Amino acid sequence: DAGITQSPRHKVTETGTPVTLRCHQTENHRYMYWYRQDPGHGLRLIHYSYGVKDTDKGEVSDGYSVSRSKTEDFLLTLESATSSQTSVYFCAIRGGAGYYEQYFGPGTRLTVT
Amino acid sequence: AQSVSQHNHHVILSEAASLELGCNYSYGGTVNLFWYVQYPGQHLQLLLKYFSGDPLVKGIKGFEAEFIKSKFSFNLRKPSVQWSDTAEYFCAVNTRDDKIIFGKGTRLHILP
Repeated sequence: DAGITQSPRHKVTETGTPVTLRCHQTENHRYMYWYRQDPGHGLRLIHYSYGVKDTDKGEVSDGYSVSRSKTEDFLLTLESATSSQTSVYFCAIRGGAGYYEQYFGPGTRLTVT
Repeated sequence: AQSVSQHNHHVILSEAASLELGCNYSYGGTVNLFWYVQYPGQHLQLLLKYFSGDPLVKGIKGFEAEFIKSKFSFNLRKPSVQWSDTAEYFCAVNTRDDKIIFGKGTRLHILP
């Protein structure tokens, strides 16, 4: 258990509404990541953070923004949700001590109707 | 761009059968390699990892993987599968930067 929680765990929202997903970690990891998982696509990186206020885009960043004002929290915002953003969203942290493996949170299932 | 290819999308085996899941990556430099497992309804868990040294790495639950640099491959193996191994398996590669590239996954279904 890497001490990662995600909230909410499930959410149903309507097209056009803003949505914010939260990832919280308790072990002071520097790197945090947001992925989406869709059948047939595996995991695709949305955004990641390498420190407080330091973020960068992944391969599917359009329509998403992130913020990291504290080490322990990494927020993912869908400014105006669309049905194509229906997915399972996973947060991850990178292990320390020079290793590169990532450890994942429990996920958030988001449905946009 | 780096990529990871998993050859089989869906594999069905009977209990006690041997397993080998293929994984190839495209990158000519130094890599870190991983296999993750995702049980139904759960998040991804690290199964095993390779950074350097012995190319045969052993992971949890009796899984192992062999890194063959000349073939850009990192295949996952298990001599005798169990029904509880039913899951989706993801190969992943890190090229010593901030990101990991994941394959699209292989769904493994074990018949009791």
